[in-house]
Amino acid sequence: DTGVSQNPRHKITKRGQNVTFRCDPISEHNRLYWYRQTLGQGPEFLTYFQNEAQLEKSRLLSDRFSAERPKGSFSTLEIQRTEQGDSAMYLCASRPPGQGTVDNSPLHFGNGTRLTVT
Amino acid sequence: AQSVTQLDSHVSVSEGTPVLLRCNYSSSYSPSLFWYVQHPNKGLQLLLKYTSAATLVKGINGFEAEFKKSETSFHLTKPSAHMSDAAEYFCVVSDGGATNKLIFGTGTLLAVQP
Repeated sequence: DTGVSQNPRHKITKRGQNVTFRCDPISEHNRLYWYRQTLGQGPEFLTYFQNEAQLEKSRLLSDRFSAERPKGSFSTLEIQRTEQGDSAMYLCASRPPGQGTVDNSPLHFGNGTRLTVT
Repeated sequence: AQSVTQLDSHVSVSEGTPVLLRCNYSSSYSPSLFWYVQHPNKGLQLLLKYTSAATLVKGINGFEAEFKKSETSFHLTKPSAHMSDAAEYFCVVSDGGATNKLIFGTGTLLAVQP
């Protein structure tokens, strides 16, 4: 188990630039989640993939945000025309396939990508 | 909708004394509940999870939590704090929908004094 890997660890960008983050989930985990965490807050859900299908998007995910998981393995999160309010830690998590109707499996989180928009 | 409320944003204890981090949940059905810990500059780590098999759940590093339906609580405890326990702790509930996404509380920052 190599864990969930996120790159880069840190990204500093100027307002208006585009940025892209990558997440490599644990192999055989078909479910993948993106969260955003700002200072002093708990992580907030952004979007969810099951295999390559994006099945849910939070209202937090504005038009400037797009996420993909083209082959059902790694995922990317792109932010276009970044704003200072986008500064946050972006967390990726993965989970094995669900079993039955009751799913108590935990999410396995990566170490996150910290974005600073200047 | 499912939610959790962490009643204390900061808790400070002395090393060797008990830890109590409080969490209340709101759920329209029997919830799946978790506690995660986040050390500075590190990822979120699962401490324990409630699976409805037992109301008292034991986790890693000596932590445990008790599910109390009558009080809608899931407080985290540890008999004796260690310096290495200093971190941020999140109470988490699964939303139970099709995605089973996790909904996090706002966190409790635990400080351990020598």
